[in-house]
Amino acid sequence: QITLKESGPTVVKPTQTLTLTCTFSGFSLTTDGEGVGWFRQPPGKALEWLAFVYWDDDKRYSPSLNNRLTITRDTSEKQVVLTMTNVDPVDSATYFCAHRTAGPYYFDYWGPGTLVTASS
Amino acid sequence: IQLTQSPSSLSASVGDRVTIACRSSQNITHYLNWYQQKPGRAPKALIFGKSNLHSGVPSRFSGSGSGTDFTLAITSLQPEDFATYYCQQSFNTLVYTFGQGTKVEIK
Repeated sequence: QITLKESGPTVVKPTQTLTLTCTFSGFSLTTDGEGVGWFRQPPGKALEWLAFVYWDDDKRYSPSLNNRLTITRDTSEKQVVLTMTNVDPVDSATYFCAHRTAGPYYFDYWGPGTLVTASS
Repeated sequence: IQLTQSPSSLSASVGDRVTIACRSSQNITHYLNWYQQKPGRAPKALIFGKSNLHSGVPSRFSGSGSGTDFTLAITSLQPEDFATYYCQQSFNTLVYTFGQGTKVEIK
């Protein structure tokens, strides 16, 4: 059974760096084609994809946030970490991580999400 | 690739048949997925590859379309189906994009 869970600060000050951890189980992130993505959703708004890491450590980032994001994986600890620099109040959102399948390329299992508020 | 859903919201009654459209700005062949999200909860996978049901999803949900135009249909709407639905493309895996969502409300 695949599960994921996000963790990190609930409040972060503007200009600071936000670090979020996705801890997963039920898969190893070593299967050809699989990966983990990060997403966010401001209150009342749509889902937005942020970053993605493949089983082979290849990485993808949202072009609108590319220079602020870093995604890393630790397969031994079964974690994927997202860092976002220079946080702004508009970054306040619920952040989700999700497993992407190796074949049909969809996000089949999601973590419950973690709410982050950027405020001084 | 941009995805545009219509309508942005709809009101329906239990037992109704509901359809939600998703239009892509480019041909994405069959690489279109659908998710359901309830307030305060994470999205759940419904359909992948335009028409394949994710494990455990009831058969009243179905997907169709190809190229640039896709449809999610829910036959005989149930109380637990009132939620927001998102389409998402996986044709271009450099940038995953979602539609803006369609909220299905109780009439």
